[in-house]
Amino acid sequence: NAGVTQTPKFQVLKTGQSMTLQCAQDMNHEYMSWYRQDPGMGLRLIHYSVGAGITDQGEVPNGYNVSRSTTEDFPLRLLSAAPSQTSVYFCASSTTGWHEQFFGPGTRLTVL
Amino acid sequence: AQSVAQPEDQVNVAEGNPLTVKCTYSVSGNPYLFWYVQYPNRGLQFLLKYITGDNLVKGSYGFEAEFNKSQTSFHLKKPSALVSDSALYFCAVRDDLNTGFQKLVFGTGTRLLVSP
Repeated sequence: NAGVTQTPKFQVLKTGQSMTLQCAQDMNHEYMSWYRQDPGMGLRLIHYSVGAGITDQGEVPNGYNVSRSTTEDFPLRLLSAAPSQTSVYFCASSTTGWHEQFFGPGTRLTVL
Repeated sequence: AQSVAQPEDQVNVAEGNPLTVKCTYSVSGNPYLFWYVQYPNRGLQFLLKYITGDNLVKGSYGFEAEFNKSQTSFHLKKPSALVSDSALYFCAVRDDLNTGFQKLVFGTGTRLLVSP
């Protein structure tokens, strides 16, 4: 199986543009989440989902939307990109909170 | 709120020498601790976790971690470093949100450089 996949790998946006970062997993995991990684700050939780149809906000949700219509997919939408959203974005999934999270390869986003 | 601290931005070690990457934690209740590794241009990979039981936890790639409750530490160790161990290492602690979701709170990361 492919594990957690993310597309695109790289993206450059202009301020004000919108886009969707795709995330999919083929492990039938209920828990999925989005993190952003910024230098010197570790990873911070943006949004998460505990199952299809259930999402909630993490630490830094402003400017991002998510939905979870299927177990496999968890897209992250940037509504109106800002330079402060320049970051590396990771999607992760796990069976439950007791188990390790599996991370995708990341999307490197630059907003000009 | 739960938190972890990684006091060293970078650790340098010669190949074949033992390595230690430090992590301290601050939690209310029982700590559930993790180590992840990130190789260049890759996602994070799980190394090991401590939930309960033996204070010495063995993980992937020959790594182990020692849980010390009195010192609130969870240091990552390996007896003999390899050049291929060079990567960014993250300590993390589980934080239970009131929604039932268990998120990970990550440290800022420690870059390990192993020289030949």
